[in-house]
Amino acid sequence: DQQVKQNSPSLSVQEGRISILNCDYTNSMFDYFLWYKKYPAEGPTFLISISSIKDKNEDGRFTVFLNKSAKHLSLHIVPSQPGDSAVYFCAANTADNAGNMLTFGGGTRLMVKP
Amino acid sequence: ETGVTQSPTHLIKTRGQQVTLRCSSQSGHNTVSWYQQALGQGPQFIFQYYREEENGRGNFPPRFSGLQFPNYSSELNVNALELDDSALYLCASSRGLDWNSYEQYFGPGTRLTVT
Repeated sequence: DQQVKQNSPSLSVQEGRISILNCDYTNSMFDYFLWYKKYPAEGPTFLISISSIKDKNEDGRFTVFLNKSAKHLSLHIVPSQPGDSAVYFCAANTADNAGNMLTFGGGTRLMVKP
Repeated sequence: ETGVTQSPTHLIKTRGQQVTLRCSSQSGHNTVSWYQQALGQGPQFIFQYYREEENGRGNFPPRFSGLQFPNYSSELNVNALELDDSALYLCASSRGLDWNSYEQYFGPGTRLTVT
């Protein structure tokens, strides 16, 4: 049972345009969500997070939106740059999970074309 | 500040053998988590160690075991290797179990191939 799903395995976007990566979850106990970026031959790198008490968190070009009623979150990258080309993972956790046992989605490969 | 390091980078083993993977956590971090990432999938939580004690475990059989040392480095041991154990094994460290310590810092991983 996949509790965190990223239904788009890949996304291609033109440089300068907006990239929108989506993530759905089924476990209503999840209350903290994170996005990680992964380049080949490297480990995932933390990008941005959001607590369930918020519906938006922004950090520079990256914004994460959370819709709790729909159990859906999205990552917006504006403007997209070729260096953003990577695999993006959505992850989730619960407050009573004694720390950092993250549940990951399957990832979306983003390709930003110059 | 030294990041998370893992060794070896790549490893090839035969079915039935045993393997030990190693991880050095980031400076100041006392919590280490291990994940298995199969090809084309997201990382899957194996277990976590906090101050040398196992703090939680995912849906993995007992032949997956681990250790954390006083310097907070860690080992992942897998016995009786199966073909499906072929994957990228990621280690991640964090500052602790507090609410605000959810950001984990990952190493580059060990690519294990079982033939």
